[in-house]
Amino acid sequence: EAQVTQNPRYLITVTGKKLTVTCSQNMNHEYMSWYRQDPGLGLRQIYYSMNVEVTDKGDVPEGYKVSRKEKRNFPLILESPSPNQTSLYFCASSRRLAGGGEQFFGPGTRLTVL
Amino acid sequence: DQQVKQNSPSLSVQEGRISILNCDYTNSMFDYFLWYKKYPAEGPTFLISISSIKDKNEDGRFTVFLNKSAKHLSLHIVPSQPGDSAVYFCAASEMNSGYSTLTFGKGTMLLVSP
Repeated sequence: EAQVTQNPRYLITVTGKKLTVTCSQNMNHEYMSWYRQDPGLGLRQIYYSMNVEVTDKGDVPEGYKVSRKEKRNFPLILESPSPNQTSLYFCASSRRLAGGGEQFFGPGTRLTVL
Repeated sequence: DQQVKQNSPSLSVQEGRISILNCDYTNSMFDYFLWYKKYPAEGPTFLISISSIKDKNEDGRFTVFLNKSAKHLSLHIVPSQPGDSAVYFCAASEMNSGYSTLTFGKGTMLLVSP
């Protein structure tokens, strides 16, 4: 089954404790991206990757890091989480972004930073 | 500055009637538009898209209309069904960025009552 998986699905942590949210896709997609969804703000892009070893900042990259060492994986790293990073996070992938290459989203990771 | 706007946070429609969800954009460089549907506790799923060279795209019960001069697009669902109850996100992208980013609106929650 073609899918994007994220782990963990739920996470409660404390300020300053480094964490990683994993994302993996089995569709051989070149493009992967991370979004956060907050009430009243919709979905905002954090980082994206056009291919292996190619990453770039989205609209809200502060406080986040990513890496793309393999095509299928795109982990999101919070080196020193803060309460304002409490949010619902989505990973997405696509073969190409436009021309019919719609993005496939993971189920989401709900992160709470105390 | 919000480049993609969905000014109606919610919409209620009776089953069998038409649902019309609206979206406005300010960036004239956007040339590809998508609608995503999101159920609670799930990631967004792609619904339908339209390129700026078209003014209409239809897929079953779903039709997207694009008015470039007004920088406005709308999603029509006919007939509406209770299973259509979800949050609908409008998104836009541009060729100049290599379609590398999607800019989302804040979403409209659609409730279809039996």
